[in-house]
Amino acid sequence: EVHLLESGGDLIQPGGSLRLSCAGSGFTFSAFAMVWVRQAPGRGLEWVSAIATDHDTNYADSVKGRFTISRDNSKNMLYLQMNSLRAEDSAVYYCAKYTGRAASGSQRVYYFDYWGQGTLVTVSS
Amino acid sequence: DIQLTQSPSFLSASVGDRVTITCRASQGIRSHLAWYQQKPGKAPNLLIYAASSLQSGVPSRFSGSGSGTEFTLTVSSLQPEDFATYYCQQLSSYPITFGQGTRLEIK
Repeated sequence: EVHLLESGGDLIQPGGSLRLSCAGSGFTFSAFAMVWVRQAPGRGLEWVSAIATDHDTNYADSVKGRFTISRDNSKNMLYLQMNSLRAEDSAVYYCAKYTGRAASGSQRVYYFDYWGQGTLVTVSS
Repeated sequence: DIQLTQSPSFLSASVGDRVTITCRASQGIRSHLAWYQQKPGKAPNLLIYAASSLQSGVPSRFSGSGSGTEFTLTVSSLQPEDFATYYCQQLSSYPITFGQGTRLEIK
């Protein structure tokens, strides 16, 4: 059974730094891209960052230059280093398994098929 | 960036009703669209991927259709557990984006 467990959320002052972790189990971690998605209180879902199996990374403009995604396949761990935190970064942060696979013909399909339970980050003085 | 606009943003319906949610993309995304259901305090749950493929374990009353810029999620006969918020998501290009959500409530 696939399981993702986030940790590291905390109350942090503006300008501070925090590292989130996500432990994966029940699947071949190294074979899948992984993502972080956040949700501010009472708001919708916002994709934050993705890391491919080859460690290629992508970021939302709102976090580019401040957040760094990384992975340690030997430990089945995903990380999000968050620097220069702002009040608007306050949210529940979810990690998710990002599946991209061949479908019929030459088509590829993509989706976030498993999610963790989330970890709360609150940026406030 | 590709914008996704869901309509309606809020929907009130009764058990047994058939409901449809629409998601429009600001540019063509072929069939690279997914739908998620989220209940309060819980992580999102994948319902539909590739616009119309039902995720394993999801009841067959859920269906998706569309391609290009217009997509729909239909629930054929609402059950009590279906009252939740629904999001569409495009995975055609980065940045990956979500619609603003449709909150489905019991009438």
